[in-house]
Amino acid sequence: KAGVTQTPRYLIKTRGQQVTLSCSPISGHRSVSWYQQTPGQGLQFLFEYFSETQRNKGNFPGRFSGRQFSNSRSEMNVSTLELGDSALYLCASSLNGGSVQETQYFGPGTRLLVL
Amino acid sequence: GENVEQHPSTLSVQEGDSAVIKCTYSDSASNYFPWYKQELGKRPQLIIDIRSNVGEKKDQRIAVTLNKTAKHFSLHITETQPEDSAVYFCAAYMNRDDKIIFGKGTRLHILP
Repeated sequence: KAGVTQTPRYLIKTRGQQVTLSCSPISGHRSVSWYQQTPGQGLQFLFEYFSETQRNKGNFPGRFSGRQFSNSRSEMNVSTLELGDSALYLCASSLNGGSVQETQYFGPGTRLLVL
Repeated sequence: GENVEQHPSTLSVQEGDSAVIKCTYSDSASNYFPWYKQELGKRPQLIIDIRSNVGEKKDQRIAVTLNKTAKHFSLHITETQPEDSAVYFCAAYMNRDDKIIFGKGTRLHILP
């Protein structure tokens, strides 16, 4: 099976712009979670989507949003970018996610640089 | 909110020696604890996990121990090799929040 893929891999934006990142999960996986990774802060949970519904969310401002499509592909959007949004954004997929406590498989990430 | 503390943030060990990374969690109802390894420039990958109904799990040179009473769990790597150099993340499934919380990571350096 193909692994989790993310596009684009690298992105440079300026403050105030908005950005959309895409994640395609492993075939058959219905849960997609998004994480922000920065040096010293590790992996911080953004949100999880399952069957096109946001099932859970972390402590990020409303500028961070996402959605999931019927084929389980997910997008994440960040509006009004700030310098502090520069990070590696990882998505992870699992079969059902949530309380089932399954293995999460990570994508390669999208590295976002905000200037 | 619920959190996971991971120590140390950086660890250097001589090749062939053992490495131990420790994590504590706050949600006493947590019952699933995975460990991920992230090599430089690569994605995190699961290396071992443990559920709360067991106290220890081993897979070749890697072992994880869990102390539910003290709410801490540890990763043990024996006979370390250069390819063990990476960042390791512990995580705990928080029942209360229905999500997995990650520690901040430990950068492990294997010295020749």
